[in-house]
Amino acid sequence: AQTVTQSQPEMSVQEAETVTLSCTYDTSESNYYLFWYKQPPSRQMILVIRQEAYKQQNATENRFSVNFQKAAKSFSLKISDSQLGDTAMYFCAFMKPGGSNYKLTFGKGTLLTVNP
Amino acid sequence: GAGVSQSPSNKVTEKGKDVELRCDPISGHTALYWYRQSLGQGLEFLIYFQGNSAPDKSGLPSDRFSAERTGGSVSTLTIQRTQQEDSAVYLCASSLWAVEAFFGQGTRLTVV
Repeated sequence: AQTVTQSQPEMSVQEAETVTLSCTYDTSESNYYLFWYKQPPSRQMILVIRQEAYKQQNATENRFSVNFQKAAKSFSLKISDSQLGDTAMYFCAFMKPGGSNYKLTFGKGTLLTVNP
Repeated sequence: GAGVSQSPSNKVTEKGKDVELRCDPISGHTALYWYRQSLGQGLEFLIYFQGNSAPDKSGLPSDRFSAERTGGSVSTLTIQRTQQEDSAVYLCASSLWAVEAFFGQGTRLTVV
């Protein structure tokens, strides 16, 4: 079974600064997907960024980028130029594609607060 | 609709009562998931529907929990004889290509 660990329950950053959220995972699979989801107070989970394990290049989406270290099973999220609207819970998630279920396995989340 | 819709948004029920939570997925999405988010916990997989295939119920925590999906669209999660430990946010998600899931805003269930 896969496990996802987020070791930082809470983090804070000043507006306009950069912050990195950590995530490690455990799997014996070689082909999988990793995700970062954002959950603001509205409760709706929003996909921030996705990484395919077979791709060596780190995914980027505007101010969001990841540092994917497959051998170390590490998948950190970097948020540049932090904005007040980035304040939310951030969840790291793992998915093994194929088979009969594409379920996501989530970490317990990191509460990020962006301070003005 | 434009997104995944869940109802009700909040539900308070008495211990021992049955509750039904509804999910309207994005039109045309073949896959539908239910997750549970308990206080201070991550999201826990409950059940997965894909097209006309038999659902994967491996995440349901007890036989008090059941779910159905009618016509390959709307899904209902039913919790019978609710207990206080069932209090949580129940999130529904749907996807077309199975990899990217779109979530609803969830139903916050409080059992008193």
